[in-house]
Amino acid sequence: DAKTTQPNSMESNEEEPVHLPCNHSTISGTDYIHWYRQLPSQGPEYVIHGLTSNVNNRMASLAIAEDRKSSTLILHRATLRDAAVYYCILRPEKKSSGDKLTFGTGTRLAVRP
Amino acid sequence: DTEVTQTPKHLVMGMTNKKSLKCEQHMGHRAMYWYKQKAKKPPELMFVYSYEKLSINESVPSRFSPECPNSSLLNLHLHALQPEDSALYLCASSRIQRGTYNEQFFGPGTRLTVL
Repeated sequence: DAKTTQPNSMESNEEEPVHLPCNHSTISGTDYIHWYRQLPSQGPEYVIHGLTSNVNNRMASLAIAEDRKSSTLILHRATLRDAAVYYCILRPEKKSSGDKLTFGTGTRLAVRP
Repeated sequence: DTEVTQTPKHLVMGMTNKKSLKCEQHMGHRAMYWYKQKAKKPPELMFVYSYEKLSINESVPSRFSPECPNSSLLNLHLHALQPEDSALYLCASSRIQRGTYNEQFFGPGTRLTVL
């Protein structure tokens, strides 16, 4: 499976934008880039995913480099509730027998009031 | 209902006990998953059920025995566990559409302590 690299931790101020980077230099052409986050004492939560084009949803935006070797999750206005571990995961497009999410170590985001 | 529920929230068991973890979803998802998460570590996939059949077993020891009695329920039967099996056990589910597995919805987990 292709591997992702993320910073161990980041800090942000409340109500400011946050850019969480992810490197995936060995990504294959059919791998989707998925982001999940895990709030304290909760299970992981899906955030967003994309293939080549930038994506927006109500939670975040995903900016994907033209060569697809890196991506950035953007939280437009961080709140205290966004403090979590953010995981960048590569998923093959089609799976014959099931969906294997391989979590890396993720980025622990702290939000300062 | 967009929730995955897990019971119990906490479980303490001895190495000779037999216990079961339960997971339930009513979103019509036909894929269900068990993950194990040790403290300060990322979740690790254990099992995947697709259409109520075991489709992936990540070489999990036989003291963990999964069961999917119907499309809404997933159990994990535990027997003769070791203290190192103490962890947070997470259940997840996802929709399968035209062979593609959509995003996974996770439950809050069962925190297991093996004495």
